[in-house]
Amino acid sequence: AQKVTQTQTSISVMEKTTVTMDCVYETQDSSYFLFWYKQTASGEIVFLIRQDSYKKENATVGHYSLNFQKPKSSIGLIITATQIEDSAVYFCAMREGRPQGGRALIFGTGTTVSVSP
Amino acid sequence: EAGVTQSPRYAVLQEGQAVSFWCDPISGHDTLYWYQQPRDQGPQLLVYFRDEAVIDNSQLPSDRFSAVRPKGTNSTLKIQSAKQGDTATYLCASSLGDRFSNERLFFGHGTKLSVL
Repeated sequence: AQKVTQTQTSISVMEKTTVTMDCVYETQDSSYFLFWYKQTASGEIVFLIRQDSYKKENATVGHYSLNFQKPKSSIGLIITATQIEDSAVYFCAMREGRPQGGRALIFGTGTTVSVSP
Repeated sequence: EAGVTQSPRYAVLQEGQAVSFWCDPISGHDTLYWYQQPRDQGPQLLVYFRDEAVIDNSQLPSDRFSAVRPKGTNSTLKIQSAKQGDTATYLCASSLGDRFSNERLFFGHGTKLSVL
């Protein structure tokens, strides 16, 4: 069975600094996909970034980057130069990569990030 | 391009009442998901469809919940007899095919349900 765990409930940072949040996952599949989504105060959930399990390079999109440590089943999200608008709940999610699909995205419990001026 | 549309935005019920949630996915997206998000928790899958077929409904409380997507486009999630434990936000999401497991999901704004 697949499982995603985010142990950090909340993180507070100052604007323009870097924030790192952790996520560990469990899966029996050799191929899987890891995602980070952001939920704003309005409730909107948006996709941020993805890491494919077979790729060794850490994914980077804008000021979001990932720290993928496959032997530790860990996928951390790093946000550099944080802005007030980065205040949100961040969800780690995983999907196993069966050839025909058939497994939906499984989410962690989320980490609330508060960015102060 | 229009996003995923859900209605209503809010619903308040007494225990035992029925409620339906409606979702219009992004045009061309063949895969549609219903998630339940209790307060301060992550989204939890209830059911998902590829076209009109149910792919996974193992987490759907079948005695009170039902979901359909008859033409492979819009979908309706219904709670027959709501309980206080059903209080949550119900999220609809769609994606361009789940055969490729790396596809991102696009979420609607959700329906916030309160059962008194």
